[in-house]
Amino acid sequence: DVKVTQSSRYLVKRTGEKVFLECVQDMDHENMFWYRQDPGLGLRLIYFSYDVKMKEKGDIPEGYSVSREKKERFSLILESASTNQTSMYLCASRGATGAFFGQGTRLTVV
Amino acid sequence: DQQVKQNSPSLSVQEGRISILNCDYTNSMFDYFLWYKKYPAEGPTFLISISSIKDKNEDGRFTVFLNKSAKHLSLHIVPSQPGDSAVYFCAASRGGSNYKLTFGKGTLLTVNP
Repeated sequence: DVKVTQSSRYLVKRTGEKVFLECVQDMDHENMFWYRQDPGLGLRLIYFSYDVKMKEKGDIPEGYSVSREKKERFSLILESASTNQTSMYLCASRGATGAFFGQGTRLTVV
Repeated sequence: DQQVKQNSPSLSVQEGRISILNCDYTNSMFDYFLWYKKYPAEGPTFLISISSIKDKNEDGRFTVFLNKSAKHLSLHIVPSQPGDSAVYFCAASRGGSNYKLTFGKGTLLTVNP
């Protein structure tokens, strides 16, 4: 059974904090993605990575960075959290068998 | 520029009837398409996919149809069940797993008992 695991289901952070969202997959996939979901806007791509230490900007990368030091782990970093980054964050992993999501992290920035 | 469009924000059907969810795309380079189902506060769950070499793919109650000339795909759920009530997202990609998925904005399906 494929597995993508996000480190937290719910997070509350203060404005200006540095926030780390972690994602781990056990499918040996090369490709991993971070999306955010907001009402009426669907899923928007923040960053993706097609190999270790490789990254590409998605559609809305501003205010975010990523890290991929190991194949199975892809981290999303909010350098200085702001209230407009309150959202549902979704990690995905893609390989030949398909694309699979983690359970999501609901982040609230206060 | 929205490359994947789900023009119906919501759809309501009766239990036992057919649900048809529609999706249009504009990028002719897309050749692999997926449907996901999402409950609130959970991650999307993969339902079914289709590549552009086919025009139909079935998996149990779910069937996806692809019309390449119209750049249109649809998901049919037969028979619909109350547990199918969720948001459904259409996604498109170029072939090969190295490409990103581009999503539509989703359609909220409500199946009434």
